Amino acid sequence: NAGVTQTPKFRILKIGQSMTLQCTQDMNHNYMYWYRQDPGMGLKLIYYSVGAGITDKGEVPNGYNVSRSTTEDFPLRLELAAPSQTSVYFCASSSSPGRGTDTQYFGPGTRLTVL
Amino acid sequence: AQKITQTQPGMFVQEKEAVTLDCTYDTSDPSYGLFWYKQPSSGEMIFLIYQGSYDQQNATEGRYSLNFQKARKSANLVISASQLGDSAMYFCAARSQGGSEKLVFGKGTKLTVNP
Repeated sequence: NAGVTQTPKFRILKIGQSMTLQCTQDMNHNYMYWYRQDPGMGLKLIYYSVGAGITDKGEVPNGYNVSRSTTEDFPLRLELAAPSQTSVYFCASSSSPGRGTDTQYFGPGTRLTVL
Repeated sequence: AQKITQTQPGMFVQEKEAVTLDCTYDTSDPSYGLFWYKQPSSGEMIFLIYQGSYDQQNATEGRYSLNFQKARKSANLVISASQLGDSAMYFCAARSQGGSEKLVFGKGTKLTVNP
């Protein structure tokens, strides 16, 4: 199993450009998440999804959009990139987070710089 | 809302010694889970250990143990017999159980293991 994969690994955007960060998991997990990690900080939740067709906002959703058309994929869309969106983006998935030890499995991250 | 506080920006330990990384949490939820993740310099997030709020015993996973003091709302990570490979950022996180999907992270502690 590949687990959670993210593409690209690195990207430089100009202010105002748009892009989509891809995330795919092969563990048949229902729950998927997008986090951002700013330098020297912990992770903050951007959006999450509890299943195909269902998404909801996290702590810092402004400037982002998501969709969940399949169980496997959870792309994150940045519209009109701004320098404040320079960060490392992590995608994660879990099967049933409300139960006990079930943890979130993280992808390797995408390092995004907006200039 | 939950809040995680990690008061140690950086910690140093000698190889083969034990080290405790502090974590306090603030939550009004009756049931919750506490997690520790390791982030090495390569950037990935690695799950280490989990503690449920109703678990009677402190969690242990190999060299990792969680010193859970519910009344003090603390969930400190203890690493025994430190190894050079333990040098990394360590994040404490909390999640409500029974419906909420969000992991809330602390700002992390950078651990350096000296030879």
